[in-house]
Amino acid sequence: RKEVEQDPGPFNVPEGATVAFNCTYSNSASQSFFWYRQDCRKEPKLLMSVYSSGNEDGRFTAQLNRASQYISLLIRDSKLSDSATYLCVVNQGGKLIFGQGTELSVKP
Amino acid sequence: GAGVSQSPSNKVTEKGKDVELRCDPISGHTALYWYRQSLGQGLEFLIYFQGNSAPDKSGLPSDRFSAERTGGSVSTLTIQRTQQEDSAVYLCASSLAPGRTASYGYTFGSGTRLTVV
Repeated sequence: RKEVEQDPGPFNVPEGATVAFNCTYSNSASQSFFWYRQDCRKEPKLLMSVYSSGNEDGRFTAQLNRASQYISLLIRDSKLSDSATYLCVVNQGGKLIFGQGTELSVKP
Repeated sequence: GAGVSQSPSNKVTEKGKDVELRCDPISGHTALYWYRQSLGQGLEFLIYFQGNSAPDKSGLPSDRFSAERTGGSVSTLTIQRTQQEDSAVYLCASSLAPGRTASYGYTFGSGTRLTVV
């Protein structure tokens, strides 16, 4: 079993749609969590940290359920520029473990 | 510097040759990571340096891979006797003080694209 697992994707959605990504992690000792975005042939960039209380940044909402070891990312009113691969990331003792990523394609 | 700097950006080498990849982290960042990403794949952890502690080398795929970090700053990843399966993008990241619970961002360099022919 992979340490961090994500929806396989790809997700193809129209502009304005709401899309949700899910992620599960296997190590209950994991302490901090992130969503990264990676554009084609570019390096990953931090999108947002994920807190137990849930957090929102504009159109993006992240949720963490420690009991279920589950993380989610919700994107509302999706834009063409949201097209990218979204990576679920877990901090295990200072070491970042990445999921395989979910590809999102937003169409006009 | 303003960001994480990696060099070279592209490297083509013949099978069996040694290569050195360089990472210059953000000034003041105590943690430095190396990852690799094969085409269409996720990021694979290689090695992690944190301050003066012994590095976490648990991700290095074989003894042909090694890394150093001099003076708590610049790091070099060395691959000896390169094989075709070593072809990938090698990414370096740095962080201010990751710890176990930190929610600090980890900043990546733009990577070195290694092609072994």
